Amino acid sequence: ETGVTQTPRHLVMGMTNKKSLKCEQHLGHNAMYWYKQSAKKPLELMFVYNFKEQTENNSVPSRFSPECPNSSHLFLHLHTLQPEDSALYLCASSQVTPSHIAGNEQFFGPGTRLTVL
Amino acid sequence: TQLLEQSPQFLSIQEGENLTVYCNSSSVFSSLQWYRQEPGEGPVLLVTVVTGGEVKKLKRLTFQFGDARKDSSLHITAAQPGDTGLYLCAGWEKFNKFYFGSGTKLNVKP
Repeated sequence: ETGVTQTPRHLVMGMTNKKSLKCEQHLGHNAMYWYKQSAKKPLELMFVYNFKEQTENNSVPSRFSPECPNSSHLFLHLHTLQPEDSALYLCASSQVTPSHIAGNEQFFGPGTRLTVL
Repeated sequence: TQLLEQSPQFLSIQEGENLTVYCNSSSVFSSLQWYRQEPGEGPVLLVTVVTGGEVKKLKRLTFQFGDARKDSSLHITAAQPGDTGLYLCAGWEKFNKFYFGSGTKLNVKP
């Protein structure tokens, strides 16, 4: 138990569906992250939020829409996804963003396994 | 191409053997981390190295940061089945961008 929870753990959706992934951290951290992990690629950083403000968007397609209502919760809204978007989506949190302190530890949730049909 | 290349990609060994995993880059990193990820879970931090030439030991695991801060290695002595997992290096490149390595999948057979 890392203190970061993600729901759902598994999600199957069609290309026309709209769904949301939820992440919650109970560690009192100020920074939260979304990563994509697929069999073909290592962990790809998607979005970074620091004190509820988005500080990084790594050229992620607009069909992925993040939302951070407070420092403890992070959502990833999904719509009109493609089969190649099937992957494990990991949420992480840290005390502050990495750019501020070298060696800052990120705590990861267990991920949501997404399958797009 | 990945900024952080790990080798080997896959490693299957018998319990009791030693192994080394490498993490290499052409860029300088201000620090490097090693994570282990087990099936069905997210990565968990093992160690952070911040000084060129630094060596850190964590029980049977030895981590080294290259003198030029462009590479790192993870050595496991007398591997056990519990060491099985995906090992990922990660670090802060000089322009303050954070990257994960390509990963090494380790399987230790009893």
